[in-house]
Amino acid sequence: AQSVAQPEDQVNVAEGNPLTVKCTYSVSGNPYLFWYVQYPNRGLQFLLKYITGDNLVKGSYGFEAEFNKSQTSFHLKKPSALVSDSALYFCAARNAGNMLTFGGGTRLMVKP
Amino acid sequence: DGGITQSPKYLFRKEGQNVTLSCEQNLNHDAMYWYRQDPGQGLRLIYYSQIVNDFQKGDIAEGYSVSREKKESFPLTVTSAQKNPTAFYLCASSIKGLEPNTGELFFGEGSRLTVL
Repeated sequence: AQSVAQPEDQVNVAEGNPLTVKCTYSVSGNPYLFWYVQYPNRGLQFLLKYITGDNLVKGSYGFEAEFNKSQTSFHLKKPSALVSDSALYFCAARNAGNMLTFGGGTRLMVKP
Repeated sequence: DGGITQSPKYLFRKEGQNVTLSCEQNLNHDAMYWYRQDPGQGLRLIYYSQIVNDFQKGDIAEGYSVSREKKESFPLTVTSAQKNPTAFYLCASSIKGLEPNTGELFFGEGSRLTVL
């Protein structure tokens, strides 16, 4: 069975500092990987995806993620955090023929 | 604008009552999904549908029912058999269901159900 782990319930970072939100996955075959962001009482918004190709994927709002096959990781990164980046972030994974599996979510808190 | 509309945004229900959550999309997507979100547990799949008049159970289908009579609509009924229905419910759609390049999911704004 496929699974996604987000080992940190919460990540705290100061505004202007780089941020990393961690994600590891277990998927048989080639993985399709996604990051979503959720603001309070709202639906999830798509940030970026990895299907194939370059291991560094760029997405919305200045976010990027690095696919590392050997470590089965897909960490979300941003060079300079904004207070408005504070939200709940979900990593998700699937392989061809399967449903998306979501991680438990990581709350990002960016302090001024 | 294209998107997914969920209604109502907030709903209160007495124990023993069934309630139906609406989900409508005008994205011309084939596949639609219902997820349940509880604090600290991420999203869990309730039901999904890849095509009109067909749907499959997800991981936590017990106590829920769905229909897919139209491509645009995928309503979810929370029945009295659902033991712990208080949660945030999210509807989503994607261009295709299980094909490799299914792309990302598009989500509605959610419906928060509270059982009194």
